[in-house]
Amino acid sequence: NAGVTQTPKFRILKIGQSMTLQCTQDMNHNYMYWYRQDPGMGLKLIYYSVGAGITDKGEVPNGYNVSRSTTEDFPLRLELAAPSQTSVYFCASATPLAGSTDTQYFGPGTRLTVL
Amino acid sequence: AQSVAQPEDQVNVAEGNPLTVKCTYSVSGNPYLFWYVQYPNRGLQFLLKYITGDNLVKGSYGFEAEFNKSQTSFHLKKPSALVSDSALYFCAVRDKSGSGYALNFGKGTSLLVTP
Repeated sequence: NAGVTQTPKFRILKIGQSMTLQCTQDMNHNYMYWYRQDPGMGLKLIYYSVGAGITDKGEVPNGYNVSRSTTEDFPLRLELAAPSQTSVYFCASATPLAGSTDTQYFGPGTRLTVL
Repeated sequence: AQSVAQPEDQVNVAEGNPLTVKCTYSVSGNPYLFWYVQYPNRGLQFLLKYITGDNLVKGSYGFEAEFNKSQTSFHLKKPSALVSDSALYFCAVRDKSGSGYALNFGKGTSLLVTP
C-alpha cells in the first residue's frame, strides 16, 4: 500500500512552458486535493475532487487545471508557467464519511521552480 | 470562514523539556481540528485530530493536544521533547464552506529541539 504518490519530485520550467504533475492514490479514496505551499504561508487549496468526473476550484485555481477520470488519479496541469507558480505542490486524499471526518493523507510533494 | 492561527514562527526547546506549539481557531459551530508535521523535504504527516469528545487528544509519536473551547485554542504538546521532533508543524481546520472538506492551514511553526 503506497498511499499517495506524486511525480516528479523536482522540476524546473521556463516561463511559458506547460507540465502535468501526477498524483495517484491506492486507498480507494473518493476525495482528492491539490495544495500549494509557499514559505511562511501554509498550504492553499488549488483544486479538489469529490469523485471520478467531479472537480471544483479551491482558493487559488488561476493558472491550473485538473481532471479526474479515475478514482486513483488526479493530475494537475500547469499551462503557461509563470514565476508566481514556483512552489511546492502537495496532493492529498481522504474519504470523508457521512457524519464523521476522515484524515487527509498527503503525498511527498513536487518542488517546482519557474525561471 | 474557518481559520486557524499559529502565533509563533519558531519555538525552541531543549531536549527532555516539555514543548508546546500554539494554535487558535476561528470557526462557526463546532470545529474539526488537526495537527500535521512536516520533516525537511517530506510531505505532511498526520499527528492527531479533534472532532468531539474528550478535550485531550492523544496522537502519534507521543504528541497530544488540548482543545479549549473558551480560549478557542488547540495547542500541541509533548511532555519530553526529542531532537528528532525538530520539524515544521501545521495546525488545520476542516472547511465547511463546500470545498469538499478541504483543510485550512495555519502558516506553520518551526520547532527546534536542541541537545
